[in-house]
Amino acid sequence: AQSVTQLDSQVPVFEEAPVELRCNYSSSVSVYLFWYVQYPNQGLQLLLKYLSGSTLVKGINGFEAEFNKSQTSFHLRKPSVHISDTAEYFCAVGSNNNDMRFGAGTRLTVKP
Amino acid sequence: GAVVSQHPSRVICKSGTSVKIECRSLDFQATTMFWYRQFPKQSLMLMATSNEGSKATYEQGVEKDKFLINHASLTLSTLTVTSAHPEDSSFYICSARRASTGGNTEAFFGQGTRLTVV
Repeated sequence: AQSVTQLDSQVPVFEEAPVELRCNYSSSVSVYLFWYVQYPNQGLQLLLKYLSGSTLVKGINGFEAEFNKSQTSFHLRKPSVHISDTAEYFCAVGSNNNDMRFGAGTRLTVKP
Repeated sequence: GAVVSQHPSRVICKSGTSVKIECRSLDFQATTMFWYRQFPKQSLMLMATSNEGSKATYEQGVEKDKFLINHASLTLSTLTVTSAHPEDSSFYICSARRASTGGNTEAFFGQGTRLTVV
């Protein structure tokens, strides 16, 4: 079975500062990794995904993440955040048996 | 991208009544849909995996007689909360994967349903 750990429940940053949201996973099989963003009272929107190939993945809204197999990590980064990036971010792992498991989420708050 | 529509977005019901939530994949076929429950300021908890034409697979601790799931077609899955109680109040979210693509593709999520039982 796979699982996901998001190490930070809350991350406050100032506008235009860089940010990194951490995610570690565990799995006994090949995994596929995802980052989703959730705005209040809404569903989830995919930011980016790692399936195979290049370990550096670029997504929407200027986000990117790097898959590190040796450290079993998939941290999300953005070089300069905006107020509008304030949201809940979820890391998720999927496998070939179709289910998807989510981390506990990280609340990113961007302050002016 | 693919669209998953969830209806209703909000529902308030009286304790003891049943509520049905629909999840539709609008422009693709989904042999598998997933139902999640999210408590305030918490992550998504997988409740069950819904497979078209067969019984849903429930996660441990989820009452299958209380949360009835029907996946009648490749584009529709429904979750019925039976005899709802205030503790069932929550945010319910469905997701769907395209048919025959395994786990290496993203899941598309509905907008969620805010259920309040009074």
